[in-house]
Amino acid sequence: RKEVEQDPGPFNVPEGATVAFNCTYSNSASQSFFWYRQDCRKEPKLLMSVYSSGNEDGRFTAQLNRASQYISLLIRDSKLSDSATYLCVVNKSSYKLIFGSGTRLLVRP
Amino acid sequence: GAGVSQTPSNKVTEKGKYVELRCDPISGHTALYWYRQSLGQGPEFLIYFQGTGAADDSGLPNDRFFAVRPEGSVSTLKIQRTERGDSAVYLCASSLGLAGGNTDTQYFGPGTRLTVL
Repeated sequence: RKEVEQDPGPFNVPEGATVAFNCTYSNSASQSFFWYRQDCRKEPKLLMSVYSSGNEDGRFTAQLNRASQYISLLIRDSKLSDSATYLCVVNKSSYKLIFGSGTRLLVRP
Repeated sequence: GAGVSQTPSNKVTEKGKYVELRCDPISGHTALYWYRQSLGQGPEFLIYFQGTGAADDSGLPNDRFFAVRPEGSVSTLKIQRTERGDSAVYLCASSLGLAGGNTDTQYFGPGTRLTVL
């Protein structure tokens, strides 16, 4: 079983839609959590950190449920430019990032 | 400011050859990481440097892989006797390191796409 599991998608949604991704992680000792975005043939870039209290950055909202060991990302009012792969990331130590395989999002006009 | 840079951007080699991949971290970042990303997968941790020393090399798949960071800045990932299964994108990242605390953000370079024929 992978340490971080995500639905690979693709999620194909129209512009303006709301879309949500979930991921689960297996190590209850995990300390910090992130969503990274990766465009095709580009490097991963930090989208946002995820906190137990939930956090919002514009159209993006991230939630962490430690008891159930899952992390979510909600994107409201999807834009064409949101099309990318979204990587769920867990940090077991102060430095080692464990990535999920990513969820692919396609936003169509 | 300048981000993490990696050279070459693409490397094609033959099975059995030796390759070196270079990473220039963000200036002032003491921590440096190497990851490997295969098609359709997320990046997998290979090795972490804090300064000049490899603090954790548990992700290196076998003894054909080795990495150095002699002056605590530029790092080189070395792969001996390459195999077709080594084909992947090799990503380097850097961060502030110990000064960054629990929220130390890793910034990734564009990667080197290695193809072993």
